[in-house]
Amino acid sequence: GQSLEQPSEVTAVEGAIVQINCTYQTSGFYGLSWYQQHDGGAPTFLSYNALDGLEETGRFSSFLSRSDSYGYLLLQELQMKDSASYFCAVGYDYKLSFGAGTTVTVRA
Amino acid sequence: SQTIHQWPATLVQPVGSPLSLECTVEGTSNPNLYWYRQAAGRGLQLLFYSVGIGQISSEVPQNLSASRPQDRQFILSSKKLLLSDSGFYLCARGGGGKETQYFGPGTRLLVL
Repeated sequence: GQSLEQPSEVTAVEGAIVQINCTYQTSGFYGLSWYQQHDGGAPTFLSYNALDGLEETGRFSSFLSRSDSYGYLLLQELQMKDSASYFCAVGYDYKLSFGAGTTVTVRA
Repeated sequence: SQTIHQWPATLVQPVGSPLSLECTVEGTSNPNLYWYRQAAGRGLQLLFYSVGIGQISSEVPQNLSASRPQDRQFILSSKKLLLSDSGFYLCARGGGGKETQYFGPGTRLLVL
């Protein structure tokens, strides 16, 4: 089966940097994805790592270490609109298994 | 562009009543389709997925069933709703690779 661990909550101020860690245990692994979900909305795809290393997309970056079964999402130059839940997910057999999510609250 | 439609957006149903939620996808052929349920403040639980017409895989035993009568149509059903069926139901399609999925707007179901 698949198991993912991520922190439940993070609070930071505008302009700060937040790192959301995700550790996983899985019997099959194609890659680690990150999704953002605003309150009341549907999840939207943010980033994907299939290989070790850092992927950068604007203010957001994602990192993967397959040997450590670990990844993180880095949110830089935080803005109020970044207040949302962030989910890591492992891909296997054309399916995704999601973590429980990290609620990020950005304060002025 | 590729779009996912779900309806209704919100639904309040009594315990024991039937359920039918519909998801349709535009702009792509033979997509992998998925149904998820999300309880308030929780993560996403995969309920069913389909790799083609008439092909349904169930991930967890439950009170629900799914069908795929057409290539771009995925339906979630129940004969008799339970209180525990309340939640946010999301339809998603595969992104062409193993790594991405794109979600529809979801249906909020409240069973009373």
